[in-house]
Amino acid sequence: QTVVTQEPSFSVSPGGTVTLTCGLTSGSVSTGYFPSWYQQTAGQAPRTLIYSTNSRSPGVPDRFSGSIVGKKAALTIRGAQADDECEYFCVLYMGSGIWAFGGGTRLTVL
Amino acid sequence: QVQLQESGPGLVKPSQTLSLTCTVSGDSITSGSYFWTWIRQPAGKGLEWIGHIYSTGSINFNPSFKSRASISSDTSKNQFSLKLTSVTATDTAVYHCARGSAGSYDSPKYYFDYWGQGNLVTVSS
Repeated sequence: QTVVTQEPSFSVSPGGTVTLTCGLTSGSVSTGYFPSWYQQTAGQAPRTLIYSTNSRSPGVPDRFSGSIVGKKAALTIRGAQADDECEYFCVLYMGSGIWAFGGGTRLTVL
Repeated sequence: QVQLQESGPGLVKPSQTLSLTCTVSGDSITSGSYFWTWIRQPAGKGLEWIGHIYSTGSINFNPSFKSRASISSDTSKNQFSLKLTSVTATDTAVYHCARGSAGSYDSPKYYFDYWGQGNLVTVSS
C-alpha cells in the first residue's frame, strides 16, 4: 500500500523561508495527483491553502506557494510569521474517487 | 458561503455504532461535482479519509473502513451521514465533514474547499 509521506516536524526562523514536502513511499508525486495543502490550528477546521499543485485558495497570501520539487509536492512559506506555527498536511487525489492524506508536518516558528 | 456542521453524540460505547450527521448550508448536496466527505483525526495523528457520497449519489470508501462504514444522504434536509459499526477505542477521533471539489471536465481540480469544525467522538465504556 502506497503511503503519503510528510516531514513530522520542521522549524523556521521568523521571516525565514521553509519548504515542506509531500511524497509517496512508492513512486513520484506529479500534477496528476492534484496535490493540495491545508493548514490546521488545534480545535479549528482546516484551512485550504493550495490546490492543483500551485493554485492559491481565495484569501491566501502569496507568501504561500506550491510546486513539484523532484519527486514530491512542495509547500513553500516565505516570510514566516508566528501565526504560521501550526500543522500542515497534504492531500493527493489517487483517482477513481480515492483520496490519500499525508501524516502532517508540525511547523515551529522560532 | 458554504458551511458544514457535524452533529452527533460525543461518547459511544465500544462495540456500538457511531453515527454522525453533516448539515450543509449554502449549497445543495445533489448539485455540481462534489464529494461530500467524512474525514477523521485521532488525537496526535494525521487526517484519515473515511469515505464520501458524490453529488450523483455514488459512494466510495477507504478500504480500511469499507466493512464497517456506511454513508447516506437526506436530500430533503441537505444532510449526509456516517455510520461506523463495531467501534473500539481506536475510533476515538475528531470527525470532520468536508466538501471535495472535482472542478469540471475541462478544468479538473480535486481538493477540499470547505470543512466542518469537527466533532470529537470518544469511544469508551
